[in-house]
Amino acid sequence: GAVVSQHPSWVICKSGTSVKIECRSLDFQATTMFWYRQFPKQSLMLMATSNEGSKATYEQGVEKDKFLINHASLTLSTLTVTSAHPEDSSFYICSARLQGTDTQYFGPGTRLTVL
Amino acid sequence: GENVEQHPSTLSVQEGDSAVIKCTYSDSASNYFPWYKQELGKRPQLIIDIRSNVGEKKDQRIAVTLNKTAKHFSLHITETQPEDSAVYFCAASRSNYQLIWGAGTKLIIKP
Repeated sequence: GAVVSQHPSWVICKSGTSVKIECRSLDFQATTMFWYRQFPKQSLMLMATSNEGSKATYEQGVEKDKFLINHASLTLSTLTVTSAHPEDSSFYICSARLQGTDTQYFGPGTRLTVL
Repeated sequence: GENVEQHPSTLSVQEGDSAVIKCTYSDSASNYFPWYKQELGKRPQLIIDIRSNVGEKKDQRIAVTLNKTAKHFSLHITETQPEDSAVYFCAASRSNYQLIWGAGTKLIIKP
């Protein structure tokens, strides 16, 4: 149980285009989902916290107009990287919190490469 | 601000020996401390966690200890095996179920 999927697993796009990444909790409801960014050989950097039905809260230094987050249901959150640039290339990982617990379960990640 | 320090950054142990990874946290309000294992290019996987009302928790070869007074918690892996090789992250909770992450420890098991 507690499986989280993420789609796509990798994407290559041209500079200036927008990319949408989906995060789904497959067998549980997730009131809270989190979006992280991870650079090679580094730790996870929390970008934003997404609560179902309300606006996401962003960490300091993360541009909310560039990284649009929507959490429309208890099983789906999306991250849209708008007007992507090469510096946005990274590994993006989502996690979903199992309701009633503190535990976060992670998706497999999406590797974004912006040319 | 809140932070979690993790040591060592790299740990190399002989197969069969024990490995210990240590973390300290700054936020006295933190009450949940998970440990995740991440293999190269894969998702972090929860291996054990502990809440602040418990001092120690064990699951087969893995154990976690917590010293709330010192704001210190540690991961202990006994009888290490090659498949234990990975990067391990500690984390401490903050408000809204968010986690503050350590920098990670690369564990290498030598055959």
